[in-house]
Amino acid sequence: AQKVTQAQTEISVVEKEDVTLDCVYETRDTTYYLFWYKQPPSGELVFLIRRNSFDEQNEISGRYSWNFQKSTSSFNFTITASQVVDSAVYFCALSALNDYKLSFGAGTTVTVRA
Amino acid sequence: DTAVSQTPKYLVTQMGNDKSIKCEQNLGHDTMYWYKQDSKKFLKIMFSYNNKELIINETVPNRFSPKSPDKAHLNLHINSLELGDSAVYFCASSQESGGRNQETQYFGPGTRLLVL
Repeated sequence: AQKVTQAQTEISVVEKEDVTLDCVYETRDTTYYLFWYKQPPSGELVFLIRRNSFDEQNEISGRYSWNFQKSTSSFNFTITASQVVDSAVYFCALSALNDYKLSFGAGTTVTVRA
Repeated sequence: DTAVSQTPKYLVTQMGNDKSIKCEQNLGHDTMYWYKQDSKKFLKIMFSYNNKELIINETVPNRFSPKSPDKAHLNLHINSLELGDSAVYFCASSQESGGRNQETQYFGPGTRLLVL
């Protein structure tokens, strides 16, 4: 069984601050995939990133960056110089190779104040 | 040219009624899913279909019945609606690769169901 833990329920920051969202996962599979999704106030689920278990390279996309560490089973997400439009619920998720489903964490609500 | 679409977006109905939610994807994907998001925002898989075959049924009450007429469509029919069915239902799709689930799931906009 897969398990994803997002210990931070809510984070509130002022615009231009950096914010890091923690994600810790559990799986017995050796091949798996990690994801982050964003759910803005409008409600849709927006795909942000997918990372497979064999690729521990960190990734940067604009103001977003991800730190994947297998040794600590973590896949953390940092928003640099946050903006009001970053206010959303962010979900970390895990999928094993032979498992046709995403196991989601509980989500972290990020509020960026102007 | 929406990738994954759902209708209706909002659904308000009385307890005991039967309702359906439709989902269509134009991405050419092989696998489709239904997820339920509860009032605490927790997302949980309900069903998954691969090439019109049911491959996941996660302890969902029999009142929920998915139907996949073809690869591009996965509908959800709910009988005898209960108050606890109030939630947001998301459809998603992904491309199967090499007979295994490797690809990203893309989600529809969600259907907000309120049972009164």
